[in-house]
Amino acid sequence: AQKITQTQPGMFVQEKEAVTLDCTYDTSDQSYGLFWYKQPSSGEMIFLIYQGSYDEQNATEGRYSLNFQKARKSANLVISASQLGDSAMYFCAMRSSSTGNQFYFGTGTSLTVIP
Amino acid sequence: EAQVTQNPRYLITVTGKKLTVTCSQNMNHEYMSWYRQDPGLGLRQIYYSMNVEVTDKGDVPEGYKVSRKEKRNFPLILESPSPNQTSLYFCASSSPQGPGISYNSPLHFGNGTRLTVT
Repeated sequence: AQKITQTQPGMFVQEKEAVTLDCTYDTSDQSYGLFWYKQPSSGEMIFLIYQGSYDEQNATEGRYSLNFQKARKSANLVISASQLGDSAMYFCAMRSSSTGNQFYFGTGTSLTVIP
Repeated sequence: EAQVTQNPRYLITVTGKKLTVTCSQNMNHEYMSWYRQDPGLGLRQIYYSMNVEVTDKGDVPEGYKVSRKEKRNFPLILESPSPNQTSLYFCASSSPQGPGISYNSPLHFGNGTRLTVT
């Protein structure tokens, strides 16, 4: 069974500091993709970044980067230079070969950026 | 603009009164799905569809129905809503993936429907 675990229900970070949000996954598939989404208080789900299981380099998108450690089955999101607008829920998700087009989500981490 | 449109944004209803939440996408995606989001539980899949006339149950299908008569539309139907179906609902779509293809197509979400059943 596919499983995504986010162990940090809530996190705080000082403005302009970096923060790491943890995500571990469980799959026996070789082909899979990992995604991070942001959900601000307004409710919409915003796609942030993607990492493929065969990608050798960690994904980066602006201030977002993904610390991908395949052997440990972790895909942590790193947000650099935090801004007040980064305060939101963050969800890790996975899609894999055995699940076809199914996406599985973690329970999320609530990030609060402190001025 | 590429988007997933779901309506209504907010809905308050009473137990047992049938309702439909509409979902439409303009990206020509084969794959569409419905999720519900509850505090502490993340997003749980209700139903999904791989293409027209092809639907399947997700993790929490009880009490819900769907149909996929057209590629762009994927309505969620609650025949007899109950208070435990009070939740935030999301429709989403994506390009399909397959063996040997990178799983890099993200889910595109609608803006959500906040349903309250009293």
